[in-house]
Amino acid sequence: DAGITQSPRHKVTETGTPVTLRCHQTENHRYMYWYRQDPGHGLRLIHYSYGVKDTDKGEVSDGYSVSRSKTEDFLLTLESATSSQTSVYFCAIRPTGGNEQFFGPGTRLTVL
Amino acid sequence: EDKVVQSPLSLVVHEGDTVTLNCSYEVTNFRSLLWYKQEKKAPTFLFMLTSSGIEKKSGRLSSILDKKELFSILNITATQTGDSAVYLCAVHTGNQFYFGTGTSLTVIP
Repeated sequence: DAGITQSPRHKVTETGTPVTLRCHQTENHRYMYWYRQDPGHGLRLIHYSYGVKDTDKGEVSDGYSVSRSKTEDFLLTLESATSSQTSVYFCAIRPTGGNEQFFGPGTRLTVL
Repeated sequence: EDKVVQSPLSLVVHEGDTVTLNCSYEVTNFRSLLWYKQEKKAPTFLFMLTSSGIEKKSGRLSSILDKKELFSILNITATQTGDSAVYLCAVHTGNQFYFGTGTSLTVIP
């Protein structure tokens, strides 16, 4: 257990509404990641963070923003949700100095 | 462009069979290769390999990395129904991890 929680675990929202997903870790890891997982595409990186206020874009960042004001929290925001953002979202951490990655339990988001 | 390709896409076997899952990669800055098991929830970590020729073993699962030919294999011997899952391969390149689309393994009793 890498001490990662995600909230909410499930959410249904409507097109055009803002949505924020939260990833929380308890072990002060420097690196945190947001992925989405869709059938046929596997896990695709949205954004990642390498420290407080230090973030960078991943492969599928359009329509998403992130913030990391504290080491333990990494927030993913959909400013105006679209149906194409219906997906399962996973947060992950990489232990400082390590080369492996561990995942949170995931958030299932449905945009109607 | 960095990429990771897994094969086969899916596999159906009978209990007791041995299976081999493949992962090939093309990346610019290899740091490590990882295998995960995913059963309708979050991926769970199986192995990390960083050097060629090093075989990692955990019970009935084993994995080898070939950094010259840019591939890895995951072997599962004496398969059980509990091995049914999607197996994901990922490559760490420094700041990012690149994932393959996975191999779906179904083990029939």
